[in-house]
Amino acid sequence: DARVTQTPRHKVTEMGQEVTMRCQPILGHNTVFWYRQTMMQGLELLAYFRNRAPLDDSGMPKDRFSAEMPDATLATLKIQPSEPRDSAVYFCASGLNPGRRSYNSPLHFGNGTRLTVT
Amino acid sequence: DAKTTQPNSMESNEEEPVHLPCNHSTISGTDYIHWYRQLPSQGPEYVIHGLTSNVNNRMASLAIAEDRKSSTLILHRATLRDAAVYYCTGGSGTYKYIFGTGTRLKVLA
Repeated sequence: DARVTQTPRHKVTEMGQEVTMRCQPILGHNTVFWYRQTMMQGLELLAYFRNRAPLDDSGMPKDRFSAEMPDATLATLKIQPSEPRDSAVYFCASGLNPGRRSYNSPLHFGNGTRLTVT
Repeated sequence: DAKTTQPNSMESNEEEPVHLPCNHSTISGTDYIHWYRQLPSQGPEYVIHGLTSNVNNRMASLAIAEDRKSSTLILHRATLRDAAVYYCTGGSGTYKYIFGTGTRLKVLA
């Protein structure tokens, strides 16, 4: 089965350090989503890409977070500088959207990057 | 953005059917309703989706109300492996898929 791959699985860092999380979407998928999950907030949508273009990043703190897709096989989420409140599990998901308004195909999630900022 | 409402938790006995409800009264007319579940320490996993008609697959059935303001995920025979958090989500006329707090299903042996 094709899978979304996220690296690293776990990351512990000190406040102020830069953190980069990577995602390899399923080959052929043209949409990528980044979500953050915490006990308090649940699953929050951070950013959405279609055909490598960022369509929505309104859920992302702009001053410290950035998301990019350097190519179709790699999506990155960067935090600089990191803060303890960024501690969470970050999920990447990919899917295939032919361009219609409504999403008629499943999202496939990776197993996440668990980030701890001390 | 469309908002979904689900009960926080439900319990079921093993081998019995489970009906997990979801209210999505603000969903737009062309948005599909998706269900996902999340097992401990894993990412959410797709379960089923539909637009207007009831849908069946090997994992579950999805019953969608005629007015599309609610839906029910049906697990026909719950097993211990079905214990998870179940999320329903619907688009809001954009590409956003917003997840609510989900329903934590406990399956009793």
